[in-house]
Amino acid sequence: EVQLVESGGGLVKPGGSLRLSCAASGFTFSTYSMNWVRQAPGKGLEWVSSISSSSSAIYYTDSVKGRFTISRDNAWNSLYLQMNSLRAEDTAVYYCARSRSVIAAATWDYWGQGTLLTVSS
Amino acid sequence: QSVLTQPPSASGTPGQRVTISCSGSSSNIGTNTVNWYKQLPGTAPKLLVYTNNQRPSGVPDRFSASKSGTSASLAISGLQSEDEANYYCAAWDDSLNGPVFGGGTKLTVL
Repeated sequence: EVQLVESGGGLVKPGGSLRLSCAASGFTFSTYSMNWVRQAPGKGLEWVSSISSSSSAIYYTDSVKGRFTISRDNAWNSLYLQMNSLRAEDTAVYYCARSRSVIAAATWDYWGQGTLLTVSS
Repeated sequence: QSVLTQPPSASGTPGQRVTISCSGSSSNIGTNTVNWYKQLPGTAPKLLVYTNNQRPSGVPDRFSASKSGTSASLAISGLQSEDEANYYCAAWDDSLNGPVFGGGTKLTVL
């Protein structure tokens, strides 16, 4: 059974940093592209970042470029999102999601339960 | 303001057929495939339709979707109470070099 379990969310002050993790199991992690998608309270879905299976291709939404870094460790079946210079508008539930095929298909077939990041003083 | 445009709400009675639209542009829907996601309150999204009109295993054939030009639509026939949820369309955008979502449509089963 495919499972994605996010962790690392919490309360952070503006300007602070945090690293989210996503532990994957039930599939060959190293062969799939992975993604982070977020959802602010009461709002819609917003794509944050994607990384190819070998980390050779990485994409970010404009609002996080230069502040967030996506990475993965295929040996540990884990996906990460390092978030720096956090802002109030980064407050959201962050979901880890698996790409069903190529990144550009925007097809995410398995999602984690999400982890909540709150940026507030 | 979302790149893809969906109606904020839709409704229908049990057994009815409802349609949710998703409007984009030549850089997203006009060039790339469309996917649809269903999200129940407090839960993670679920893939409902991929590659314009393909259903993942386990998704009932009451759900169908299509794409024409720069627009797409999701149709739900034989509406059931468990269909009450938020529905999102998504597609890759060549100009933004990333995926974009619609703002979501809250479907109410009356």
